[in-house]
Amino acid sequence: GDSVTQMEGPVTLSEEAFLTINCTYTATGYPSLFWYVQYPGEGLQLLLKATKADDKGSNKGFEATYRKETTSFHLEKGSVQVSDSAVYFCALKNSNSGYALNFGKGTSLLVTP
Amino acid sequence: NAGVTQTPKFQVLKTGQSMTLQCAQDMNHEYMSWYRQDPGMGLRLIHYSVGAGITDQGEVPNGYNVSRSTTEDFPLRLLSAAPSQTSVYFCASRSGVSTDTQYFGPGTRLTVL
Repeated sequence: GDSVTQMEGPVTLSEEAFLTINCTYTATGYPSLFWYVQYPGEGLQLLLKATKADDKGSNKGFEATYRKETTSFHLEKGSVQVSDSAVYFCALKNSNSGYALNFGKGTSLLVTP
Repeated sequence: NAGVTQTPKFQVLKTGQSMTLQCAQDMNHEYMSWYRQDPGMGLRLIHYSVGAGITDQGEVPNGYNVSRSTTEDFPLRLLSAAPSQTSVYFCASRSGVSTDTQYFGPGTRLTVL
């Protein structure tokens, strides 16, 4: 079945450092890909999405490109802030599996001043 | 709009007790779902509904029941609570089955002793 694999955390970075969180997927067909963010004590929020190959999703300085050839959707940010500390989830939605949203296990990011 | 609301925020149960976690949305969304979040496991789908009167099982449905009598409400019932059901539960909704953006409630933290 469909699945998402993302790098294990926690990831600790200094403010203004470059961030990469790796995400790869396994799916039949052409899934939509997402990054969700969960701030402490809150529910998940959609951060960005891409619905077809080579699409780039972007929001709040974060970017991710849908790479069908490597089945990847890595999250990047050029300069992280303390306020970016959160748990980040990669997810996919696929018509072949009833449009359910399948999540990775999450990557915890801590940004220190 | 209140978005997706969940009650209660916290709950402690004894093994064998039953309870209902409430979820409501005021966005007239057709698709609603329940997830549980456990450390190191990400979010796993329990049950989902594509519209009033229609529900289906997700990845981990055992021990849980749902019903969808109205578009707005999607309660999750624990029939006989077990310690393995200690988790954080999130309700989510989106406007349709194929819609990309999914909205999450703030979560219910459940402890079963």
